[in-house]
Amino acid sequence: NAGVTQTPKFQVLKTGQSMTLQCAQDMNHEYMSWYRQDPGMGLRLIHYSVGAGITDQGEVPNGYNVSRSTTEDFPLRLLSAAPSQTSVYFCASSTGSGANVLTFGAGSRLTVL
Amino acid sequence: GQQLNQSPQSMFIQEGEDVSMNCTSSSIFNTWLWYKQDPGEGPVLLIALYKAGELTSNGRLTAQFGITRKDSFLNISASIPSDVGIYFCAGPRGTNAGKSTFGDGTTLTVKP
Repeated sequence: NAGVTQTPKFQVLKTGQSMTLQCAQDMNHEYMSWYRQDPGMGLRLIHYSVGAGITDQGEVPNGYNVSRSTTEDFPLRLLSAAPSQTSVYFCASSTGSGANVLTFGAGSRLTVL
Repeated sequence: GQQLNQSPQSMFIQEGEDVSMNCTSSSIFNTWLWYKQDPGEGPVLLIALYKAGELTSNGRLTAQFGITRKDSFLNISASIPSDVGIYFCAGPRGTNAGKSTFGDGTTLTVKP
């Protein structure tokens, strides 16, 4: 089982460029989510989805878009990158039941110059 | 909103020492989860706690769900170098299982 796969692992962007971080899971999990991790600030929820076709905002959604056309995939789009979006991004999935235990990807490190 | 406060922020210990860290909230949580993040990786679940007062062990790790449901602690006994990493507490946000709240993490460094 691959679990949660994120691509790319590293990316450098210039301010104003757009890009998509890809996330795929093969565990048939209904719930998927995107977090960003900044030093000393833990993991902050950007967007999440409770099933195909359903998405909602988390704590820090501004500047990011998501869509969920299939159960397996949950891409995160940066429309116009800003230096404040320099961070490590983690995608996670879960069954959504019980304790909502998350399975995380390995992360994508994004630098915006 | 629900916030989780973890302490300490960082710990520098000698191999073989025991470690204790905790997590508190102003809100009640029905579940507490402890994750560990190795350098360059995503967090991985260590222990899940489901009811107040519960004490659960996983090898050298022991975690407890506070009776008030507003706190939890994680102990690591006889630390080893591979215990290095960031430890997060987390819990589902309210009744929405799609969201999880994370603490800011405790960074553990173990000196051989």
